[in-house]
Amino acid sequence: VQLVESGGELVQPGGSLRLSCAASGFNFRGYWMHWVRQTPGKGLVWVSRVDNAGSGTIYADSVKGRFTISRDNAKNTVSLQMNSLRAEDTAVYYCVRDVSYGMDGWGQGTTVTVSS
Amino acid sequence: QSALTQPPSASGSPGQSVTISCTGTSGDVGGYNYVSWYQQYLGKAPKLMIYEVSKRPSGVPDRFSGSKSGNTASLTVSGLQAEDEADYYCCSYAGSNTYVFGTGTKVTVL
Repeated sequence: VQLVESGGELVQPGGSLRLSCAASGFNFRGYWMHWVRQTPGKGLVWVSRVDNAGSGTIYADSVKGRFTISRDNAKNTVSLQMNSLRAEDTAVYYCVRDVSYGMDGWGQGTTVTVSS
Repeated sequence: QSALTQPPSASGSPGQSVTISCTGTSGDVGGYNYVSWYQQYLGKAPKLMIYEVSKRPSGVPDRFSGSKSGNTASLTVSGLQAEDEADYYCCSYAGSNTYVFGTGTKVTVL
């Protein structure tokens, strides 16, 4: 199982960013996928989940209405579109696979910094 | 959704056992048998150690075990080894397709 995140960078408050995650080594379309973030020096926070087909999505209250998760099963990728970014969105973002309501396949993540 | 409560730290000598608690509510830990545990070394990505309260993924040593009673889940590391020194996080399904992580526990091997 390999998940490689990309797209993180420095962005100003109010800006937008799109994170991508390339999956390999497993039957991608057979799994739900999540995004989880970790603030520097702090704990893990669940952000969003997309189902196998991409039609079922759910978000943490803190990002609802601002973030959109999607997937492309033909390309084995999952994305997170982040709009109206705030300083508190600064974190390392991980893309992970759902295994019976647990999460595996953690990569090194991609760092998002929201600052002026 | 409030984070699950874990003790900030736990410690034990090599060969001993250490148990980490993870306290939630009837809406998360107590309501579902979907508690998972993660090990994270400093500067590294987390690793799944336990899922569905007590199941171990392939490759995880049987020194790691999980359990649950009411609204509190626990991770026990038996036969503590130096390599077990890390941060540990619990996570629970919280209904309506949402999830909540714990506050994290730093385990120190004395």
